[in-house]
Amino acid sequence: AQSVTQPDIHITVSEGASLELRCNYSYGATPYLFWYVQSPGQGLQLLLKYFSGDTLVQGIKGFEAEFKRSQSSFNLRKPSVHWSDAAEYFCAVGNGGATNKLIFGTGTLLAVQP
Amino acid sequence: GAGVSQSPRYKVAKRGQDVALRCDPISGHVSLFWYQQALGQGPEFLTYFQNEAQLDKSGLPSDRFFAERPEGSVSTLKIQRTQQEDSAVYLCASSSRTQANYGYTFGSGTRLTVV
Repeated sequence: AQSVTQPDIHITVSEGASLELRCNYSYGATPYLFWYVQSPGQGLQLLLKYFSGDTLVQGIKGFEAEFKRSQSSFNLRKPSVHWSDAAEYFCAVGNGGATNKLIFGTGTLLAVQP
Repeated sequence: GAGVSQSPRYKVAKRGQDVALRCDPISGHVSLFWYQQALGQGPEFLTYFQNEAQLDKSGLPSDRFFAERPEGSVSTLKIQRTQQEDSAVYLCASSSRTQANYGYTFGSGTRLTVV
């Protein structure tokens, strides 16, 4: 069965520091992978997605993620964090089948210190 | 509209009460999804519509949950005889593609509290 693991429940970084949020997935075939961000009281906003091709994908707000098949990982990175990046981040895998549903991880809550 | 609209934003229901949650997807979007997000958890799939057809309802937790999209646009998620474990944020999402692996657009959700 498909699953997504986000091992870090809560991360605190200083403004201007680099960021890496971890995501590991379990899926039999080539996965469709996503990162979403959720601000308090808001819905989910798509940051970036990977289907195939270049394993380093660029997203909005200066985020990028790298697909590593050998490690079953799709980690999210940002070189310099801004205070407005404080939010909860969800990694998700899509099954690509008729249902097209996404399986989400439990999320990583990012806090940004001044 | 420009985005996915959900109403109400907040709903408090007494245990045993029936509730109806509304989702207005982006105009023309063929795919519509409902997800349930419990406190501190990621969203969990409930059901999927392609136009008016409900193609997958495998995530609905019990027969108290019912969803419809009769004209292929607005959708309603109904929960009968609400219980405390139904307290969660209910998210609706839509996509212009049937292959929704291109990503969905989510609404802001309805926060349901059952007391």
